[in-house]
Amino acid sequence: QKEVEQNSGPLSVPEGAIASLNCTYSDRGSQSFFWYRQYSGKSPELIMFIYSNGDKEDGRFTAQLNKASQYVSLLIRDSQPSDSATYLCAGAGGTSYGKLTFGQGTILTVHP
Amino acid sequence: DVKVTQSSRYLVKRTGEKVFLECVQDMDHENMFWYRQDPGLGLRLIYFSYDVKMKEKGDIPEGYSVSREKKERFSLILESASTNQTSMYLCASSLGSGSGNTIYFGEGSWLTVV
Repeated sequence: QKEVEQNSGPLSVPEGAIASLNCTYSDRGSQSFFWYRQYSGKSPELIMFIYSNGDKEDGRFTAQLNKASQYVSLLIRDSQPSDSATYLCAGAGGTSYGKLTFGQGTILTVHP
Repeated sequence: DVKVTQSSRYLVKRTGEKVFLECVQDMDHENMFWYRQDPGLGLRLIYFSYDVKMKEKGDIPEGYSVSREKKERFSLILESASTNQTSMYLCASSLGSGSGNTIYFGEGSWLTVV
């Protein structure tokens, strides 16, 4: 069983809609979770991280964490074509040296 | 801004060659990582280092070695390149130990082994 799982998609949403990206994890020791965005041919760039249960908002992005359900999500409001990318979810355990375990990524396409 | 620099962006090597991938970070980060990324397999950790001269195996260390002689520099070595090592290699760094430390990636090195 993969430690961090994502639906690979592709997920297609119309411009202006809310895109919802989901991630589950199996390691209950994971304490922090990260969302990265990766454009084709580029390296991943951090969108945001979350370590407390509940919601965390940053501009059009909201990360949600539910440790009881071992579930992390990323909502993108007012989706734009420039949001079209692969979104990677990653979890960090409590002991290792900032080592992240990544999901396979969800491909998001925002169509005009 | 954090800068992680991978000096070789695109390489083509022959089977059996020794390959060095170099990575330098300028933020005095303790941790450095090497990942490879393949379609359908996502990002997989090869090796990481949490201090100078310290290293630990990741999920797929076979066929690779690493060197960290200075804090800012972390090298990935393919002792004898094989075609199944054709991939994009990503170097990354983070500040310190424990969770909650953001990993910053370099731009990636595309390696083709023929």
